[in-house]
Amino acid sequence: EDKVVQSPLSLVVHEGDTVTLNCSYEVTNFRSLLWYKQEKKAPTFLFMLTSSGIEKKSGRLSSILDKKELFSILNITATQTGDSAIYLCAVEIHSGGGADGLTFGKGTHLIIQP
Amino acid sequence: KAGVTQTPRYLIKTRGQQVTLSCSPISGHRSVSWYQQTPGQGLQFLFEYFSETQRNKGNFPGRFSGRQFSNSRSEMNVSTLELGDSALYLCASSPRGQGNEKLFFGSGTQLSVL
Repeated sequence: EDKVVQSPLSLVVHEGDTVTLNCSYEVTNFRSLLWYKQEKKAPTFLFMLTSSGIEKKSGRLSSILDKKELFSILNITATQTGDSAIYLCAVEIHSGGGADGLTFGKGTHLIIQP
Repeated sequence: KAGVTQTPRYLIKTRGQQVTLSCSPISGHRSVSWYQQTPGQGLQFLFEYFSETQRNKGNFPGRFSGRQFSNSRSEMNVSTLELGDSALYLCASSPRGQGNEKLFFGSGTQLSVL
């Protein structure tokens, strides 16, 4: 059974801190790993990772994938209160056709205190 | 460009009833996927539609069904509601539903079963 595990499940830090969120996976026929941010209801896309060792960056956020050790990390530097959200990691697998659906982890609930 | 639109936003039903949720994808997107989100299980894949055909289905009972119309709008139906069906139901769209496409999520329908 495909599995995606995120840690920690919740995290409280102060504004300005740097945080690292973890995502490990066990799936057959890995295709890509995606990170989403869920603030209220609609998850919004952050990154898609397909190759090992290539860091993706967007402002203060960055992410990297290790396909040998089967994990990814999401880093947020100089955190702001607006970064408070649930961060979701999801894995896509190869399928015979069409979208097999993403397998999601349970998310990391990040709270940034002013 | 308008995002993914889901209606209604909130719904309260009683056990045994049935419910229909609606999703309008981003214009030009032909793939629509549905996910169930609960605090205990996180996001779980229900099914995916492309060109009015269900291409993939997650591990949910037959009470959960869906369809897609020629304009790519989709509906999902849950019959004989159970208390455990209380959840946030999220719809996501993508252009072709092929690999390495990011999903765009709607704000969901919050279903409460009493």
